[in-house]
Amino acid sequence: QKEVEQNSGPLSVPEGAIASLNCTYSDRGSQSFFWYRQYSGKSPELIMFIYSNGDKEDGRFTAQLNKASQYVSLLIRDSQPSDSATYLCAVSVTGNQFYFGTGTSLTVIP
Amino acid sequence: GAVVSQHPSWVICKSGTSVKIECRSLDFQATTMFWYRQFPKQSLMLMATSNEGSKATYEQGVEKDKFLINHASLTLSTLTVTSAHPEDSSFYICSAREGLNEKLFFGSGTQLSVL
Repeated sequence: QKEVEQNSGPLSVPEGAIASLNCTYSDRGSQSFFWYRQYSGKSPELIMFIYSNGDKEDGRFTAQLNKASQYVSLLIRDSQPSDSATYLCAVSVTGNQFYFGTGTSLTVIP
Repeated sequence: GAVVSQHPSWVICKSGTSVKIECRSLDFQATTMFWYRQFPKQSLMLMATSNEGSKATYEQGVEKDKFLINHASLTLSTLTVTSAHPEDSSFYICSAREGLNEKLFFGSGTQLSVL
């Protein structure tokens, strides 16, 4: 298994704040990076993907990628209680295999 | 988004029996399907990758004779847990991709409990 590491948390932020989730990966050949949200007992759902260095914004979500540092992050602006979930970072090396981090548990406090 | 259907949602079986889990892509052709298992509060562990019409590629440490994967059509892959034991109890999730699209769509998962 390729190594994809995340802080397990739990991370708690107040409603309306910015939640910052981080992920590092070991394989420099990694090409594609994904953030999935998983509610308890449910399957993951894709919320962001990024291929190039820099920032990618989609609504309240911003993914940041730094290949030199082998680091990818997810920012959630104006956090809502419904954002409370586990966020999984996933990395694809060959485009045909996907490896997941252990996930970060986020709790948004009303 | 694309829909992936996974059945059953949960199954309880006796030790030594075999269990089959189905994963279907409902509105797209899944050239590649992936099988994961997930223990409580842990991440998804990739078990195997299957391409339609060819043998599955298993990750290191996953017993191919125990976890039989079939991907006979572009819309269906099955995982059979043979001679299940209590340590096989886990949440099994399939995912599928269409062509070279790197977006994965996940099934709803199967909670397997082996008594």
